[in-house]
Amino acid sequence: DAKTTQPPSMDCAEGRAANLPCNHSTISGNEYVYWYRQIHSQGPQYIIHGLKNNETNEMASLIITEDRKSSTLILPHATLRDTAVYYCIVRVDFYSGGGADGLTFGKGTHLIIQP
Amino acid sequence: DAGVIQSPRHEVTEMGQEVTLRCKPISGHNSLFWYRQTMMRGLELLIYFNNNVPIDDSGMPEDRFSAKMPNASFSTLKIQPSEPRDSAVYFCASSLSRGGRKDTQYFGPGTRLTVL
Repeated sequence: DAKTTQPPSMDCAEGRAANLPCNHSTISGNEYVYWYRQIHSQGPQYIIHGLKNNETNEMASLIITEDRKSSTLILPHATLRDTAVYYCIVRVDFYSGGGADGLTFGKGTHLIIQP
Repeated sequence: DAGVIQSPRHEVTEMGQEVTLRCKPISGHNSLFWYRQTMMRGLELLIYFNNNVPIDDSGMPEDRFSAKMPNASFSTLKIQPSEPRDSAVYFCASSLSRGGRKDTQYFGPGTRLTVL
């Protein structure tokens, strides 16, 4: 799976949009971009994923550049409860042989929402 | 729907004791994963199962660690004997793998293990 690079930390004011960048310049054509977050003392939580088109769900939006070498996770109206470590993960979505495999987590971005 | 269930949530034991962590995956999921999280190493995959069969245990740190999945609704991770460096949060996750696709993994709340 391709390597990702994220800033170690970011601040955002409550009520504003939080934009979290991720660089994945070595991404392959069949690799998806996944975002998870981990709120303190909880298990990682799935947020969103995409291949090349922008995606939106009830939690966030994912913007992937045309060359797919970077992406941005957008939390449109950040709240204090969005304070967490956000992980950007790149992985192939199809498997061969044995089945699904694990996620490779980097250090992520610690997003702090300020009141 | 109940999510992934792990027990116990907290475990404190003494060095040399056997520790068993338990996981109940989401009903209908056919893939199960055990991860460990420490400050030094972050989140790392230990082992995963597909259809109750262990597929890759290359992340298991040493022979003191073993994992089983006797049926689709239960898995254990055992450490025998435990050592202080095993202190960590252990997460279980499950997913539904179908038609050649890897589906989203859903994580449990974790078991915080402290070995004195």
